[in-house]
Amino acid sequence: AQKVTQAQTEISVVEKEDVTLDCVYETRDTTYYLFWYKQPPSGELVFLIRRNSFDEQNEISGRYSWNFQKSTSSFNFTITASQVVDSAVYFCALGGMDTGRRALTFGSGTRLQVQP
Amino acid sequence: EAQVTQNPRYLITVTGKKLTVTCSQNMNHEYMSWYRQDPGLGLRQIYYSMNVEVTDKGDVPEGYKVSRKEKRNFPLILESPSPNQTSLYFCASRGRNQETQYFGPGTRLLVL
Repeated sequence: AQKVTQAQTEISVVEKEDVTLDCVYETRDTTYYLFWYKQPPSGELVFLIRRNSFDEQNEISGRYSWNFQKSTSSFNFTITASQVVDSAVYFCALGGMDTGRRALTFGSGTRLQVQP
Repeated sequence: EAQVTQNPRYLITVTGKKLTVTCSQNMNHEYMSWYRQDPGLGLRQIYYSMNVEVTDKGDVPEGYKVSRKEKRNFPLILESPSPNQTSLYFCASRGRNQETQYFGPGTRLLVL
């Protein structure tokens, strides 16, 4: 069975602070995909990034960066110089390669509040 | 604009009154799926469809039905809603050789 753990239920920071959201996953698949989605207060799910299990390169996109470490089964997300607009719930998700279903297994989410 | 749409966005109903939540995508995606989001549980898959007339159960299918008569549409049907189906529902789609699922805006359902 697959599992995604986001141990941080809620994080509160002050604007311009850096913040890291943790994600730990479990899977028996040798090939899998990891995702981060953002859910702002308006409720929609916004895709942020996908990472393949065979590509352990870290990625940076503006103020966002992701650290994928297969050895520790972690896929952490860092926001540099946080802004109020970053306030949202962030979900880490795992996509397996099971026949057809390709369901995403989501973590329970981390609520990030950025105070001005 | 490529998108997944859902209707209605908000719905309040009573126990036992049949309802349908529609989902439509304009990306010609083969795969579509329904999830429900509940506090502390993240999102869980209800049903999915690999293509027209091909549907199957996800992790929490009890109390739900789906159909896939056309490629672009994947309605979620609650024949006899109950209060434990109060939730935020998301429809998602992806292309045949893609791994990223794109989500609709969500439907907030309250069953009294």
